[in-house]
Amino acid sequence: AQKITQTQPGMFVQEKEAVTLDCTYDTSDQSYGLFWYKQPSSGEMIFLIYQGSYDEQNATEGRYSLNFQKARKSANLVISASQLGDSAMYFCAMREVIQGNLIFGKGTKLSVKP
Amino acid sequence: SQTIHQWPATLVQPVGSPLSLECTVEGTSNPNLYWYRQAAGRGLQLLFYSVGIGQISSEVPQNLSASRPQDRQFILSSKKLLLSDSGFYLCAWSAGTPSEQYFGPGTRLTVT
Repeated sequence: AQKITQTQPGMFVQEKEAVTLDCTYDTSDQSYGLFWYKQPSSGEMIFLIYQGSYDEQNATEGRYSLNFQKARKSANLVISASQLGDSAMYFCAMREVIQGNLIFGKGTKLSVKP
Repeated sequence: SQTIHQWPATLVQPVGSPLSLECTVEGTSNPNLYWYRQAAGRGLQLLFYSVGIGQISSEVPQNLSASRPQDRQFILSSKKLLLSDSGFYLCAWSAGTPSEQYFGPGTRLTVT
């Protein structure tokens, strides 16, 4: 069964607007971590933000915030005030504590329009 | 600060030839190290991970192997490449199991 689901293969957003990238996950663990990575056309994977399953508050890092809804098993990434440089692939990933490795979704390609 | 290096950046190899990709980490000790493969337009697939010198765990059966001869060096190898080995190979490190992983610049491998 797919553990990380990103249902949006591609998204478009106007520059300076906010955008939400969806991510749902499946796990039976009580303790796990959720991550978002950005992959520009150069290929490098850039860590953006992390949310622990026991964190009560949604994680924020600058223009990035993670909308964590534990009961729905969703961990959506919100990018505020989009910039042209935000155009990239975005991957959601989960780490189950027992397994200890990252499991990635298939990614969402975000295109920011000027 | 910590940095992670991979080389070569690109590689074109014929089917049946050997492979050796190298990854080194600077600025940290005893990192967890990982090899991922990303097929074109796809997500990342974990191939190997290592929690210490000589300790390698394989996630996917294949004709690839990994070795960790030194604390901060991780090598991905193959004796005979297949066409299906083409892809983008990424090395990553983390300070421990619960923490985030940091990725290298990647190696783009094309098997012809």
